[in-house]
Amino acid sequence: EDKVVQSPLSLVVHEGDTVTLNCSYEVTNFRSLLWYKQEKKAPTFLFMLTSSGIEKKSGRLSSILDKKELFSILNITATQTGDSAVYLCASNAGKSTFGDGTTLTVKP
Amino acid sequence: DTGVSQDPRHKITKRGQNVTFRCDPISEHNRLYWYRQTLGQGPEFLTYFQNEAQLEKSRLLSDRFSAERPKGSFSTLEIQRTEQGDSAMYLCASSLTGGRGYGYTFGSGTRLTVV
Repeated sequence: EDKVVQSPLSLVVHEGDTVTLNCSYEVTNFRSLLWYKQEKKAPTFLFMLTSSGIEKKSGRLSSILDKKELFSILNITATQTGDSAVYLCASNAGKSTFGDGTTLTVKP
Repeated sequence: DTGVSQDPRHKITKRGQNVTFRCDPISEHNRLYWYRQTLGQGPEFLTYFQNEAQLEKSRLLSDRFSAERPKGSFSTLEIQRTEQGDSAMYLCASSLTGGRGYGYTFGSGTRLTVV
């Protein structure tokens, strides 16, 4: 059965800090790795990663995939209170299998 | 296009009753997915469709759950003889298909409470 594990489960930081969120996966017929941000309601799509070693960047967020070691990281630099959310990682192999998320709290 | 729509937003039902939820995906998306999410957990896969064909259904899903996508447009998810353990947020998502896959666009969800 496909499995996605995220760490840490939760993280509390202060504004301006940099954070790294981790995602490891064991997936049959792996196609891509996706990151989502979930605030109060439904998850919203952040990144899709398909190739090892190629960083995807959007503003202060960046992500990279290691297909040999089967993990991905999501970095957020200069965190803001608006970054507070649950960050979900998902594998894509036809359907997506989600991890349980990392709850990030950014304090002013 | 207004995105993925789900109806109703909230549903409270008594144990043993049947409930049906509706999802309208983004019109050009040919894949539609149903997930269930409880507090502190990531979305759990239930089933998905490509056009009108149901391609996969979770082995964890009991026979009380059924989903349809007639004509490859909107989808319905029915839960028969609801149990308290069915209380959760039911999320629908849609995407394009092909290649390495695409990110999902989620609806706002239907929150089910079984009392």
